[in-house]
Amino acid sequence: GENVEQHPSTLSVQEGDSAVIKCTYSDSASNYFPWYKQELGKRPQLIIDIRSNVGEKKDQRIAVTLNKTAKHFSLHITETQPEDSAVYFCAASIGGNTGKLIFGQGTTLQVKP
Amino acid sequence: KAGVTQTPRYLIKTRGQQVTLSCSPISGHRSVSWYQQTPGQGLQFLFEYFSETQRNKGNFPGRFSGRQFSNSRSEMNVSTLELGDSALYLCASRYGTGDYGYTFGSGTRLTVV
Repeated sequence: GENVEQHPSTLSVQEGDSAVIKCTYSDSASNYFPWYKQELGKRPQLIIDIRSNVGEKKDQRIAVTLNKTAKHFSLHITETQPEDSAVYFCAASIGGNTGKLIFGQGTTLQVKP
Repeated sequence: KAGVTQTPRYLIKTRGQQVTLSCSPISGHRSVSWYQQTPGQGLQFLFEYFSETQRNKGNFPGRFSGRQFSNSRSEMNVSTLELGDSALYLCASRYGTGDYGYTFGSGTRLTVV
């Protein structure tokens, strides 16, 4: 069945360093890839998303890249800050159906001051 | 504008009982999805509703059901509760099926004892 694998499960960086989280999806028909940030006890918040017709998208310190051939997509956070500490989830749509998302298992990012 | 509102925030039920959770989407949003979040399984898709019709369904048993009303508010029901149903149930809304980004509510924490 459809699957999204996310790595690493935990990531610890020093403030100011970059962080990269990688996801691999199985459904070649997936066309929408959002990233969510979830702080402890709070709701997941959409931080950036990318559609299959785009290879890269950037929003200030956050960027996402998509390699459709390899079925990989990655989240890049530059100049990390302590408030970036949270659990990050990647997701992929099931086929072309953007209403149905399959999520990765999450990455706990810790940014040390 | 108000976000996605879920009630109640916390719920404790006994095994075998049934429960109904409520979700009010962002004003103007007509698509509502439900997800189950657990430490072991992560975020799993339950179902999506648009204009009172179920558009998508995840791989959950028939004990899990939902509906959407004409004002876009949605409810999900779980019958014959099992211990394994203990989870955070998240509702998310978006404007329409052609739109992409979902906004999540803060969830209902269900504990089955």
